[in-house]
Amino acid sequence: NAGVTQTPKFRVLKTGQSMTLLCAQDMNHEYMYWYRQDPGMGLRLIHYSVGEGTTAKGEVPDGYNVSRLKKQNFLLGLESAAPSQTSVYFCASSSRSYEQYFGPGTRLTVT
Amino acid sequence: AQKITQTQPGMFVQEKEAVTLDCTYDTSDQSYGLFWYKQPSSGEMIFLIYQGSYDEQNATEGRYSLNFQKARKSANLVISASQLGDSAMYFCAMRPFSGGYNKLIFGAGTRLAVHP
Repeated sequence: NAGVTQTPKFRVLKTGQSMTLLCAQDMNHEYMYWYRQDPGMGLRLIHYSVGEGTTAKGEVPDGYNVSRLKKQNFLLGLESAAPSQTSVYFCASSSRSYEQYFGPGTRLTVT
Repeated sequence: AQKITQTQPGMFVQEKEAVTLDCTYDTSDQSYGLFWYKQPSSGEMIFLIYQGSYDEQNATEGRYSLNFQKARKSANLVISASQLGDSAMYFCAMRPFSGGYNKLIFGAGTRLAVHP
């Protein structure tokens, strides 16, 4: 099993550009999450989904949109990238039990 | 407010010695879970250990144990017989059971360096 995969692994954007990060999981998990990790801080929840077709805001949702059209995929979009969105982005998934499984992360730089 | 506090930005330990990484939490939930994750320099998040708030015994997973003191709201990670491969960032996290969507709240992390 691949677990949780993220595409791309690295990306450099210019201010104002848009992009979509793709997260895929093959564990049939109901819940999926997008986090960002900034230096000196733990992971902060951006958006999450409790099932196909549903999304909700987390702790730091501004500037991001998400979609969960298929159960196995969770997309994170940046419509107009800003330097403050330079970060490492992690996707995670979980069943109704406690453990979240994390993807390898995407390092995004906005210049 | 729900919060995780890790007061040690960095820790050093000699190989083969034990080390304790501190974690305190704040929540008004009666039911919650506590987690520790390891993040090596390669960047992935690796689940280490879990403790439920109603678990009476401290959780253990191999060389990892969680020293859970509910009254003090602390959930310290103890790594016994440290190895060079234990050098990494360690994050404490909490899942309040209210809300129903398995939300995790992370601390800022502790960087552990294991010296030979």
